[in-house]
Amino acid sequence: AQSVAQPEDQVNVAEGNPLTVKCTYSVSGNPYLFWYVQYPNRGLQFLLKYITGDNLVKGSYGFEAEFNKSQTSFHLKKPSALVSDSALYFCAVSGNTPLVFGKGTRLSVIA
Amino acid sequence: GAGVSQSPSNKVTEKGKDVELRCDPISGHTALYWYRQSLGQGLEFLIYFQGNSAPDKSGLPSDRFSAERTGGSVSTLTIQRTQQEDSAVYLCASSSKRGTGPYEQYFGPGTRLTVT
Repeated sequence: AQSVAQPEDQVNVAEGNPLTVKCTYSVSGNPYLFWYVQYPNRGLQFLLKYITGDNLVKGSYGFEAEFNKSQTSFHLKKPSALVSDSALYFCAVSGNTPLVFGKGTRLSVIA
Repeated sequence: GAGVSQSPSNKVTEKGKDVELRCDPISGHTALYWYRQSLGQGLEFLIYFQGNSAPDKSGLPSDRFSAERTGGSVSTLTIQRTQQEDSAVYLCASSSKRGTGPYEQYFGPGTRLTVT
C-alpha cells in the first residue's frame, strides 16, 4: 500500500530564510510524487511533481523538491521564504491513480 | 480557462437528511476525483472516474455515499442519511491524460458540509 508521512504539523520560518517542508513516502515500484499548496478558503494548487530523471524538481512560486530514493524522501524547499508562502502544504504519492496525500504541514512565514 | 467548479460552496444540513454536491471539471478532462478533507486530517480519497470505465469506489466510507458522472463531465456526490461525522470539506479534482503521466490533478474550491 502507498503512504505518505509529513512529520511536522507546523513549520515556522522567518521571512527571507530558507524553508524545508518534509515528506517521506512508501510505495511499491517507482514513486510518482507531488506537492500541493492550499491557501485559506481555496482549493489545492499543484506545485510540482517528480516522475523520473533529475532528483531536483523545480516548480511554481520558486519552490523545488529533492527526491532521495535511499531515504524515501521528497522534501519541499525554497531558498528564501515569503510571508505570502504561508499556507497548508500537502505531499502526495501515486504508484497509480488516485493520489494518496499526507496530512499536511502548515507553514507560517513570519515577517 | 475555467477551472474546476463546485457547488454549493457551503452546505448546512440536519442529521439524517440527504445532500448532493456538484462538481464541474475542467472541459476535456477525462478523469474526475472526489476527496474528503476533515479537520486535522489529510485528504481522503473517495471515488475516481476515468472516461467510460467503471468508477473506482474503493474509498467510499459507507453505502450512504454514492457518486455519478453524467456524460463524462459533471459529477454529483450524494450522501444519504447524513451523520455528524460526515462534516468535512469535499473536494473535487480533474485531470487530463494528454502528455506523459502521471497527471497532476486540478482541484476545485470545495464544498464545506456541516451536519448539525
